[in-house]
Amino acid sequence: GAGVSQSPRYKVAKRGRDVALRCDSISGHVTLYWYRQTLGQGSEVLTYSQSDAQRDKSGRPSGRFSAERPERSVSTLKIQRTEQGDSAVYLCASSPYGNTEAFFGQGTRLTVV
Amino acid sequence: KNQVEQSPQSLIILEGKNCTLQCNYTVSPFSNLRWYKQDTGRGPVSLTIMTFSENTKSNGRYTATLDADTKQSSLHITASQLSDSASYICVVRGFVDMRFGAGTRLTVKP
Repeated sequence: GAGVSQSPRYKVAKRGRDVALRCDSISGHVTLYWYRQTLGQGSEVLTYSQSDAQRDKSGRPSGRFSAERPERSVSTLKIQRTEQGDSAVYLCASSPYGNTEAFFGQGTRLTVV
Repeated sequence: KNQVEQSPQSLIILEGKNCTLQCNYTVSPFSNLRWYKQDTGRGPVSLTIMTFSENTKSNGRYTATLDADTKQSSLHITASQLSDSASYICVVRGFVDMRFGAGTRLTVKP
C-alpha cells in the first residue's frame, strides 16, 4: 500500500538559493504537516495545512518557509534564500480527518553549502 | 521554549537491560500523546497512543504511562534488544496542531 513518500531523499543546495521539497501523502488524508529535525535542536513544526488546499498555517520559522498544496495529497515545501542553518532532515506527515495518528514519510536530508 | 521536553537526550544501555524515557509537556488543550520510534534513515512509526483517561498502555516490550495532571509521560522498554536502537519521539496533540519533542536517541549495545 502507498504510504507517505518524499522526494528527493537527499538535496544539496548553495546558500542563498531556493529549494522545493515534495511530499506525496496518503489519499484521503486531510491534515498535512512539515517539520524538520536538526542535531542539537530536535524537531520543530514548520507548517501544517488542513482540507483547504491553499491554506498554510506556518509555524516557526516563518517568512522563508511556505507550503503549497496543489492537490489534496501533494504538498511542496518551499524554502527561500536557504541558510546553512537550514541543513536538516525535513519530514512530512499526514493524518486522516477525525483520526489522530500521523503517518510520516522517510524524510529529505537537505544540506546547505 | 518547546512545549514538549524529552529526557534524556541520549542513552546507551546494554542489551537485555530496561530503560525509561521521559516526556513532559505543556500543550493545552490536550488531545492525546503518542510515542514514535524512528530508525535511522526512516520516518517515525507510532508505538503507542495515550488519551486523557489512560494511565498505562503496553505494546509488547514497550509500556507507556501518562499522568495528565502533571503532564508527564514515560516510555519503558523492557529487556532491550539491539533493534531497539533508534530515536524515540514524543508527540503531543492539541485540538488540531501537533507538538514534537526533540527525541531521545537510544543505543543498545551487545
